[in-house]
Amino acid sequence: DQQVKQNSPSLSVQEGRISILNCDYTNSMFDYFLWYKKYPAEGPTFLISISSIKDKNEDGRFTVFLNKSAKHLSLHIVPSQPGDSAVYFCAASAKRYGGSQGNLIFGKGTKLSVKP
Amino acid sequence: DGGITQSPKYLFRKEGQNVTLSCEQNLNHDAMYWYRQDPGQGLRLIYYSQIVNDFQKGDIAEGYSVSREKKESFPLTVTSAQKNPTAFYLCATQDGIGPQHFGDGTRLSIL
Repeated sequence: DQQVKQNSPSLSVQEGRISILNCDYTNSMFDYFLWYKKYPAEGPTFLISISSIKDKNEDGRFTVFLNKSAKHLSLHIVPSQPGDSAVYFCAASAKRYGGSQGNLIFGKGTKLSVKP
Repeated sequence: DGGITQSPKYLFRKEGQNVTLSCEQNLNHDAMYWYRQDPGQGLRLIYYSQIVNDFQKGDIAEGYSVSREKKESFPLTVTSAQKNPTAFYLCATQDGIGPQHFGDGTRLSIL
């Protein structure tokens, strides 16, 4: 059973507009969430993270929102650029605080296409 | 990511053959991980190591083996017991409780 779900396999957005990528999780023990960006034949690149004590984290054009009650997080990219076209993975871990670092559980990814 | 080197980039395995994938890092990170990615799937954890001379099985360890004799190196052996080895293999490192950082991967195919 998937603990981290990205229900949209793909998303197409016009350049300059907002891209919103969504992720749902089922394990209430998860307390650390990350987004990675991946190009074909390359390793994932870390983008942004958020801990469960926050509901928003921002880094330049990237903002991650966390809704713990809904077990939902989203990544907003504003404005979207053609170079943002890639597969985006959501990941989660548990036991971050007060214990050993939990291992990452990944979603299946969402392929973002930003059209000029 | 800079500092994490996976080799080779492409690897072919014959039936009944063991092959070893290399992962080297110069980031001085304690923790290292091996993941497998199949088409249209997320990354699945094979093995991980938090410190030298210690490692733990991940979710899909069957048919794989690892060693962690040095902090810098965490090689993964795909044994003949792994019946479906064709995949993209990713190595990651981690410093403390920060995010994991990945190498550029090795694509393994069957001849």
